[in-house]
Amino acid sequence: DVKVTQSSRYLVKRTGEKVFLECVQDMDHENMFWYRQDPGLGLRLIYFSYDVKMKEKGDIPEGYSVSREKKERFSLILESASTNQTSMYLCASSLGFAGELFFGEGSRLTVL
Amino acid sequence: QKEVEQDPGPLSVPEGAIVSLNCTYSNSAFQYFMWYRQYSRKGPELLMYTYSSGNKEDGRFTAQVDKSSKYISLFIRDSQPSDSATYLCAMRGAGGSYIPTFGRGTSLIVHP
Repeated sequence: DVKVTQSSRYLVKRTGEKVFLECVQDMDHENMFWYRQDPGLGLRLIYFSYDVKMKEKGDIPEGYSVSREKKERFSLILESASTNQTSMYLCASSLGFAGELFFGEGSRLTVL
Repeated sequence: QKEVEQDPGPLSVPEGAIVSLNCTYSNSAFQYFMWYRQYSRKGPELLMYTYSSGNKEDGRFTAQVDKSSKYISLFIRDSQPSDSATYLCAMRGAGGSYIPTFGRGTSLIVHP
């Protein structure tokens, strides 16, 4: 089975802190994604990557950056966390252009 | 108007009922249609994946696509309390546009 692992399930951070969210997949998928999920707003794409060291902005990239140094790992970085970044963050991966998305269990971030 | 519209619910039904979940969309380029199920505090998981118009059945689940009306449905027969979850529709075009567009999700509650 494909496994997408998000290292932190629950985080509490303070405004202005730098936050790293890590995601690792074990199926050699080319594509990796970061979404945030908020009540009433559904899933919104922050960034995605289709290859190592490649990244593309999604619908809401402001305030976020990403890093993909290895194929299996995709990190989401909040340079200076703000309260409006309190959310559930979901990482996903997929194989090829037609592959289904496999999601991690999510990281719930609270920024105080 | 969002590209994909989905009623957030909640939809509450008694055990054993037939459930109908629906999405409408505006982009006629969408060719692939998916339903994801998301349990509370978990990531979404793929439930059904269909191409173009028609029906697809898998056990108690039937996915239906009507491209002429830009309308997709997921039917759940003999619903169980374990079906209580949020159901997200997703769709994408063919070729290079492989990033799916998600609906906001419908919360389903099946009570014993």
